[in-house]
Order: sequence, then C-alpha cells, then structure tokens
Amino acid sequence: AQTVTQSQPEMSVQEAETVTLSCTYDTSESNYYLFWYKQPPSRQMILVIRQEAYKQQNATENRFSVNFQKAAKSFSLKISDSQLGDTAMYFCAFMKHVTGANSKLTFGKGITLSVRP
Amino acid sequence: GAGVSQSPSNKVTEKGKDVELRCDPISGHTALYWYRQSLGQGLEFLIYFQGNSAPDKSGLPSDRFSAERTGGSVSTLTIQRTQQEDSAVYLCASSLAPTSGVNTQYFGPGTRLTVL
Repeated sequence: AQTVTQSQPEMSVQEAETVTLSCTYDTSESNYYLFWYKQPPSRQMILVIRQEAYKQQNATENRFSVNFQKAAKSFSLKISDSQLGDTAMYFCAFMKHVTGANSKLTFGKGITLSVRP
Repeated sequence: GAGVSQSPSNKVTEKGKDVELRCDPISGHTALYWYRQSLGQGLEFLIYFQGNSAPDKSGLPSDRFSAERTGGSVSTLTIQRTQQEDSAVYLCASSLAPTSGVNTQYFGPGTRLTVL
C-alpha cells in the first residue's frame, strides 16, 4: 500500500513571495504518478501540477514547479510570486501506474496555505 | 466544455434514512471515481468505474454503501441507513480511458452530506 505524508498542516506566505510545500510518499512501485491538487473554499479540487515518476525533469506550470526526488521519495511544490488567489488547501497525491487500466489517487492530509496581502 | 457536475450540492438527512448522490462526468470520460472527504479521515477513495463496471470497490466502508453507473455516464452513490459518521463531502472525479495515456482525474464540486 502507498502512503502520502504532508507534515505541515498550515503555512503562511506574503503576497509576491515564494513558498514551498513539502510532501513525502512511500511505495514499492517503480512506475507511478504524483500530483498536487488545490482546493479553495469553494470545495472544487483543481489540478495544479503532475509528474511522471519515470521523468527526471521536474514539472513546471507557470508559477508552480516541483522538486521531485525519486530516491528520497520526496515531491515538494514551489509557488513563486504568491497571489491572494493561491490561498487554499493543497493536497499531494499518488497514483500507481497500471498497464491498460486507471487507478485511484492516494492523498496526503493536505496543507492549508494562506497568502497575506 | 462542461466539467464534472454533482447533485445535490448539499444534503441534510436524518439518521437511518437512505440517500442518493449523483455524479455526471465530463463527456467522453470513461473512468469515474468516488472519494469521501471528512475531517477525521481526510480524502479516501471509495470506488472506481471503468465504463459500467467497477474493477475497484475496495474503499467502500460497509455494505450500506453501493454505487452504480449506467450508460457509461452518470453514476449514483447510495448510502442506506445513514449514520452520523457518514457525514462528509463526497467528491466525484472522472478521467479519460486508460488507453489514452492521460490519467489525470478531474473533480466535481462535491456533495456535502450532513446526517443529523
């Protein structure tokens, strides 16, 4: 079974600053995917970024980037130039690769990020 | 195009009553998932559909929970004889077929269930 750990329950950052959210995971799988989802107060889960484990290059989406350390089983999210709209709960999630089939997401407990004006 | 939709948005029920929660996936998405989000347990997987069949229903917490999907589209999650511990937000997600090579799950806004 896979586990995902987000050890920081809350973080705060000043608008325009950079913040890094931590995530570690445990798995015996060699092929898998990692995701960061954002959940604002509206409750809608929104995909932020995705990383395939077989890719060494870290994924980047505009102001969002990850630091994927496969050997350390670490997958942190960096948010640059933080904006007020980034205030939300952020979930790290793991999905194992299953050939020819889809698979469930295993989530961490989440971290509440507050961006201060 | 339209995203995943869920209804109702909120549901309040009395202990012991049955409830049905509905999910309408993104058009063309053959995979559909149900998750539960509660304060104590975080986000938990319940069941996954590929087409109308459920190859993984390992997360259903008890036999009071069941789900079906018809026509490869809309899914209904049914909770019988609701208990207070069933109070949670029930989230639905959908994704493309596994042959697409794209397995990202897109979520609906959820149904908040409150059992009094």
